Amino acid sequence: DAKTTQPTSMDCAEGRAANLPCNHSTISGNEYVYWYRQIHSQGPQYIIHGLKNNETNEMASLIITEDRKSSTLILPHATLRDTAVYYCIVSDSGGSNYKLTFGKGTLLTVNP
Amino acid sequence: GAVVSQHPSWVICKSGTSVKIECRSLDFQATTMFWYRQFPKQSLMLMATSNEGSKATYEQGVEKDKFLINHASLTLSTLTVTSAHPEDSSFYICSARDAAVNTEAFFGQGTRLTVV
Repeated sequence: DAKTTQPTSMDCAEGRAANLPCNHSTISGNEYVYWYRQIHSQGPQYIIHGLKNNETNEMASLIITEDRKSSTLILPHATLRDTAVYYCIVSDSGGSNYKLTFGKGTLLTVNP
Repeated sequence: GAVVSQHPSWVICKSGTSVKIECRSLDFQATTMFWYRQFPKQSLMLMATSNEGSKATYEQGVEKDKFLINHASLTLSTLTVTSAHPEDSSFYICSARDAAVNTEAFFGQGTRLTVV
């Protein structure tokens, strides 16, 4: 079973920031938080990942709470092409312990 | 990000025949590859994990004799669906990572299999 909880769906206006929450209250100390998204009928696309510190790249920012029990993915300026299912996954990054188990994710719909 | 290529993108086969799906890492060494299956309106389900040169590790409930996985090189893994039946129709997706440097996993574009 997935070790994360996400809202089933969210809406966002084009040009606004999209904030996608994720709860991972049972995360262990060596597990990272990974975010992927899947646009309909395509393979998942890697977005970002982090361990403790907040992370930012060209796609998004990842905010992880101090206790690491939850995180938020932020798309700063959502576009229509960001409409997708967003998956939050926790996994150990090391060797044979690395396994991405997908939950149901959040369907983000960006509206014009 | 790194590029993972799957081939074919879609395939239609007759019931009882076998189908091979290829997964290639184009610009990195894929020490570990993963195969997933996704049914309509459902999430991805991990089928198996393979390390280059080793036998694949299958998830519970996945028949290893039906879904043959070969990972003979650092850039190629194949999934063969043997004696395919209509219930095997699904979206099959591979992903790959370089476990030696603990990179994240990158996914192929998926293969839509339809068994008629």
